Amino acid sequence: ETGVTQSPTHLIKTRGQQVTLRCSSQSGHNTVSWYQQALGQGPQFIFQYYREEENGRGNFPPRFSGLQFPNYSSELNVNALELDDSALYLCASSLEVSGDEQFFGPGTRLTVL
Amino acid sequence: LAKTTQPISMDSYEGQEVNITCSHNNIATNDYITWYQQFPSQGPRFIIQGYKTKVTNEVASLFIPADRKSSTLSLPRVSLSDTAVYYCLVGDTDKLIFGTGTRLQVFP
Repeated sequence: ETGVTQSPTHLIKTRGQQVTLRCSSQSGHNTVSWYQQALGQGPQFIFQYYREEENGRGNFPPRFSGLQFPNYSSELNVNALELDDSALYLCASSLEVSGDEQFFGPGTRLTVL
Repeated sequence: LAKTTQPISMDSYEGQEVNITCSHNNIATNDYITWYQQFPSQGPRFIIQGYKTKVTNEVASLFIPADRKSSTLSLPRVSLSDTAVYYCLVGDTDKLIFGTGTRLQVFP
């Protein structure tokens, strides 16, 4: 059984650029959630996708958007990057929407210069 | 959403039992209590979840009093590899709300 994988591992961008982060969920999982973790802080919920539809969103602006594909892999897109977007971006998958343990990937470290 | 309060940091020695208490005074009737562990540069890992009384699995125990306004994560006989940040979460089990967690340092 393959766990949650994320790519790339690290990424450096400049202000104003756009970035796409990718996540492959654990086999059989149909729900994917994305989190942003700033240095020294706990992860903050960005949004969740369930069977290719957005199923809840945290307090993040519209320039944070996502997709979930038929194979349940997912993308997080961030437009017009700001310095404060520098963080570890975590993807987590679960078997169903609620009541199940979430399995996190190792994250993508994004640095915005 | 119920807010949680837990110690910022704790120190322990190998072989000791560690108890981390979390306060959640505004917990709702339907809320579960969940604990996650996170090592540096890794994603959080689920440890244990409970609703009331006591839950035990192969790595930890979770004690929840009758009023459910607090909970205690108990790690028996910690080792150096248990050095990590431990998060107490209350509420949705899917749209997780993390606080700043408790940084546990285990010394030899």
